[in-house]
Order: sequence, then C-alpha cells, then structure tokens
Amino acid sequence: AQSVTQLDSHVSVSEGTPVLLRCNYSSSYSPSLFWYVQHPNKGLQLLLKYTSAATLVKGINGFEAEFKKSETSFHLTKPSAHMSDAAEYFCVVSSRAAGNKLTFGGGTRVLVKP
Amino acid sequence: GAVVSQHPSRVICKSGTSVKIECRSLDFQATTMFWYRQFPKQSLMLMATSNEGSKATYEQGVEKDKFLINHASLTLSTLTVTSAHPEDSSFYICSARSGARDYNEQFFGPGTRLTVL
Repeated sequence: AQSVTQLDSHVSVSEGTPVLLRCNYSSSYSPSLFWYVQHPNKGLQLLLKYTSAATLVKGINGFEAEFKKSETSFHLTKPSAHMSDAAEYFCVVSSRAAGNKLTFGGGTRVLVKP
Repeated sequence: GAVVSQHPSRVICKSGTSVKIECRSLDFQATTMFWYRQFPKQSLMLMATSNEGSKATYEQGVEKDKFLINHASLTLSTLTVTSAHPEDSSFYICSARSGARDYNEQFFGPGTRLTVL
C-alpha cells in the first residue's frame, strides 16, 4: 500500500519570501514521487519528479524538492514566491507494487500576499 | 509534447440524462488512460484505469454501470456518466500514460466540470 500526507492544507507567504510545502509518503517499494500544481479550474501541471536518481530534484518555475528516504519526506521549496505561485499543490506517490497508480496527497493551497 | 485534451471543458445537464466526456492524447499514443474525480477543495480520486482495447478496471466503490469507460484507440478514451444525478456533479480529469515514456509519468488533461441540475 502507498499513501501521501501533505502536512499543511493551507500555506500563506508574502511575495518574495521562501515557500515550503511539506510532504511525507509511505510506500512498500521504491517510490516515484511527484509534485503537481493546479490553478483554479485547471488541470494539473507537473512541477518535478523523483525516480531514484538524484535526491535533490529541480523543477520548473524555480521549485525544487529533496527526497529523504530516512525521513520518508519529499518537501517542495522555492526561494522566492511570486504572485503567480498562488495555486493548489499536490504531492503524489507511485510504485510498481501499486501497479504504477498515482496516489495523491490531500493538497496544499498556497496564498501569496503582496 | 505530451499534450492531453478533454472535451467538453464544462457541461450542464438535467438529472437523468447521460453525458459523454472525451479524453485525447494529441501527440503520443496512450497505452493507458486514467479517469479521476475531484470534488471542490479536495484531492483527486482515481475512478478507473483503461488500457486500449480492453475493459476498464474500476476502483473500489466506483459503479461501472454508471461510469462507462471506453478506450477504443491509442489516442481516445471516453467517460460516459449515465443517468446523471446532482451528486455526480464534480470535476473530472483524465490522464494518459505512454508505453514509450517513463512508465510512472501521467500527463493530465485540463478537466471537465460537470454540473447536474
């Protein structure tokens, strides 16, 4: 079985300050991990993915995430938030043991204040 | 590359009618397509997985007779919500996976907002 827990349902930051979105996962097999962003009434856009290569993964729009096996975490960060970063973010896990199905976290809504 | 489209983007229908939603992979062949449902302010829940040319596999709790899925070609899957009721109102999102790419990565469509009156 696999599962994902996003530790914060809402995060509020000021424009220009760092963003941290926390994600913990559970998987009985070597996982692949993803972060997706969803803007209102839109589909999902892939920010970055980890698939057993480098543990520090760089994505689009200045986002990056670090896979820490010992902590079963895959936190998403960005050094400086932009107004356009206001959206819903999903941490997602997948593994061969789960038939390569995606399991989504509950989501974190990011608010960026001017 | 790896673009997935959905049609329609928004549909409003009367209770008791059926609605068909199309999901197309525009620039790759999708050996597997997935259908998700998302309620307001909630996460995505997988409804079913469909492989081209075979019957869809439904997740536990999803009524296969209510949510008919057809994956007739490598670029098209359809979801038909039969005898829709207000509780079926939701945001439906499809995704597609290519056998030629990273087997874990799915490419998502923009979603279809269904409102049943």
